[in-house]
This record gives sequence, structure tokens and C-alpha cells, in this order.
Amino acid sequence: AQSVTQLGSHVSVSEGALVLLRCNYSSSVPPYLFWYVQYPNQGLQLLLKYTTGATLVKGINGFEAEFKKSETSFHLTKPSAHMSDAAEYFCAVSGRGGSEKLVFGKGTKLTVNP
Amino acid sequence: DTAVSQTPKYLVTQMGNDKSIKCEQNLGHDTMYWYKQDSKKFLKIMFSYNNKELIINETVPNRFSPKSPDKAHLNLHINSLELGDSAVYFCASSHLDRANYGYTFGSGTRLTVV
Repeated sequence: AQSVTQLGSHVSVSEGALVLLRCNYSSSVPPYLFWYVQYPNQGLQLLLKYTTGATLVKGINGFEAEFKKSETSFHLTKPSAHMSDAAEYFCAVSGRGGSEKLVFGKGTKLTVNP
Repeated sequence: DTAVSQTPKYLVTQMGNDKSIKCEQNLGHDTMYWYKQDSKKFLKIMFSYNNKELIINETVPNRFSPKSPDKAHLNLHINSLELGDSAVYFCASSHLDRANYGYTFGSGTRLTVV
């Protein structure tokens, strides 16, 4: 079984500052890991994913995440926050089987202050 | 050319009514899912179908009945609606090769029971 813990339900940063959203996972098998973003009243958009290969994954809108197996972490970062980054961010995990479900963390709301 | 489309986008109904939400994907994916997002933004899997076969049925009241007429469609029928059913319902699909294709979500259906 898989589970995800996102540390911090709310994160507030200034525009131009580093964004760090934390995600730790639990999985009995090597996982697939995902970050999704949800803008107000919208659906879920995939930011990036880790499946195999390079552990530093680059996604859309300047975000990246690093898979650290020893720490069971998949933290999301962006060097410089923009006002348009304000949204809810979800970390998710799945197994590697054929039709595995996606298990989500509780989400982190990112606020960007001018 | 929407990848995963849900209808309706908004649904307001009275307690006790029966309603359906429809979902269609044109990605050729094998597996489709229904997720419920509650008022605290928590996303939880409800059902999953693979090629019209039910493969995941989480602890969901039996008032909820999914139906998959073919692998491109997954509908959700809800009987005797209750106030607690108010939520955003997301349909999603995934390809067998999830490492490359991941999961794709619809834009959601906001259900309000009054």
C-alpha cells in the first residue's frame, strides 16, 4: 500500500523567493511519484513525474523535484516564485503495476505575496 | 479535442434525488477512475475500471454506482443524494504505460446537494 505525507498545508512565500513544497511517501514497492497543481476552480494539471532514471526531474513552469529513495522524499522546488504560482499542489504516488490507483497527499496551498 | 471530458461541470440538486455524471476520454487509455475531492481539497479514489471491468471499489456507499459501457466511458450514478455527497468529482484515465503517459484528469464536476 502507498501513502503520501505533505508537510505544511499552507506555504507562503514572497514573489521571487524560493519555493519548497515537501512530500514524503511510503511504499512497499518502488513507486511512481507525481506532482499535480490545481488552480482555483480548475482541474488537476501534471507538473512532473518520476518513474525511472534520473532522480532530478524537471517539469513545467520552472518546477523540479528530486527523488531521494533514502529519505523517501520527493520535494518540489522552484528557484523564484511568481504570482501565477499561487495554487494548491498535490504530491501523489502509485505502484508500478498495470492499473494502479494514484494516492494523493492532502495538498499544500501556496500563497505568493507581492 | 479535450482529453478527458466530464459533464456536467456544475450540478445543483436536492437531497433524495438521483443524478449521473458522465466521463469520456479520447486518449485510448485502458483504465479510468473516479475521485472525490472534499471541501478540504482531499482527493480520494472511489472506483477504477480497466477495459470495462471494475478493479477498484473503495469504501463507497452503494448509492454510488459506476458504469463503463466501453473503455472510453465511465459514468457515475448516485442515488438518494445526501448533503455529504457535495464535493468535486474528478474523472481520470491512465495508459498501461503509465511511466510515459501518466494519469490525465478531467476538469471536475462540482456537485452541490441542498
